[in-house]
Amino acid sequence: EPEVTQTPSHQVTQMGQEVILRCVPISNHLYFYWYRQILGQKVEFLVSFYNNEISEKSEIFDDQFSVERPDGSNFTLKIRSTKLEDSAMYFCATPSGQGRWGYTFGSGTRLTVV
Amino acid sequence: AQKVTQAQTEISVVEKEDVTLDCVYETRDTTYYLFWYKQPPSGELVFLIRRNSFDEQNEISGRYSWNFQKSTSSFNFTITASQVVDSAVYFCALSEARGNTDKLIFGTGTRLQVFP
Repeated sequence: EPEVTQTPSHQVTQMGQEVILRCVPISNHLYFYWYRQILGQKVEFLVSFYNNEISEKSEIFDDQFSVERPDGSNFTLKIRSTKLEDSAMYFCATPSGQGRWGYTFGSGTRLTVV
Repeated sequence: AQKVTQAQTEISVVEKEDVTLDCVYETRDTTYYLFWYKQPPSGELVFLIRRNSFDEQNEISGRYSWNFQKSTSSFNFTITASQVVDSAVYFCALSEARGNTDKLIFGTGTRLQVFP
């Protein structure tokens, strides 16, 4: 069973629509991260989340993005008004079983904005 | 500034050849962590190794080995006797230990194609 489960695996949305990407870690981690990978490019940091607060965010993580932990276990990444350039693979990550400094990534959500 | 450079965009080898993937990093911190991840065609990111900046011992895990050299800021990855299943994009990443924030800075990746 994977340590981190992401849903949906693939989402297609129209430009301007809101999307919510979900992540469920197996263990009750305090640390949580979202990354983005535009097709064929490198993986980029979006935001880190510690103890229910954003600890750091990148320049990519502008006002259209938000993160929440609505029910104490699931983590969500919301994009309020999607743009074509938001099309990418979105990964969540948590510290792995090896300790705080190893990371396990979820299988990703491929977001396609049309 | 933190930066990870993977100069090799794509490498093609024939099965059973050895191949080395290069990684050069930049950081001003004395404490940091280096990682390698594998991204197969299915798209997930698979953790391969983590190395901290105080441990310069080379590591071997089966056909995989890693050469960490602080003097040249490099953390190279060698696959011995490559197999078709090794075909993937490999990412090197850096994490600086700063309190609660330890985001990964990724390189641009090296696409390895192993032909039978």
